[in-house]
Amino acid sequence: DAEITQSPRHKITETGRQVTLACHQTWNHNNMFWYRQDLGHGLRLIHYSYGVQDTNKGEVSDGYSVSRSNTEDLPLTLESAASSQTSVYFCASSEAAVTDTQYFGPGTRLTVL
Amino acid sequence: GQNIDQPTEMTATEGAIVQINCTYQTSGFNGLFWYQQHAGEAPTFLSYNVLDGLEEKGRFSSFLSRSKGYSYLLLKELQMKDSASYLCAALNNAGNMLTFGGGTRLMVKP
Repeated sequence: DAEITQSPRHKITETGRQVTLACHQTWNHNNMFWYRQDLGHGLRLIHYSYGVQDTNKGEVSDGYSVSRSNTEDLPLTLESAASSQTSVYFCASSEAAVTDTQYFGPGTRLTVL
Repeated sequence: GQNIDQPTEMTATEGAIVQINCTYQTSGFNGLFWYQQHAGEAPTFLSYNVLDGLEEKGRFSSFLSRSKGYSYLLLKELQMKDSASYLCAALNNAGNMLTFGGGTRLMVKP
């Protein structure tokens, strides 16, 4: 069955370190998204991609970067982790149409000490 | 930008009906999504409305009024497993960004 996976599921890191969160989908979806979820803020869009070599900034992109070298993967990099980036991170994917349903991965809980 | 409001928490009784409201203020709008999220899990799709009116899907229905900037999710014959957070999300006019509300945590009691 097609799926979307994230790794690691839990990560503890220190302030200032570079961290990369992996997202892999086997649906062959063109669109991929990264969100963070914090209490009181719901889900907020960090970055998104509509296809290979395409990346776009979302609502809260400062301190994060993504790259899309193939259809299946959209890794999220925190260049220099900050305590404010402690959150649960969700990756999602959808087919080509902008109104298509987004399917979410299981999430990564990141703690920055 | 977009602003999405929904109640933080609701409580209902097993077997009853509950309505979760969502209001939005947007500079552009291309439809309204509802997602369900159980604690510690990923959100899962429930419904998408782009036209005014009611869409029914089993025990769940979703309503949209574009002129009022208003939507609701109606859950009938509540079951204990319906205890979850319900997320309302508006799609912007360009269709490239979902803005989520903070979610409504629904607790179903016996």
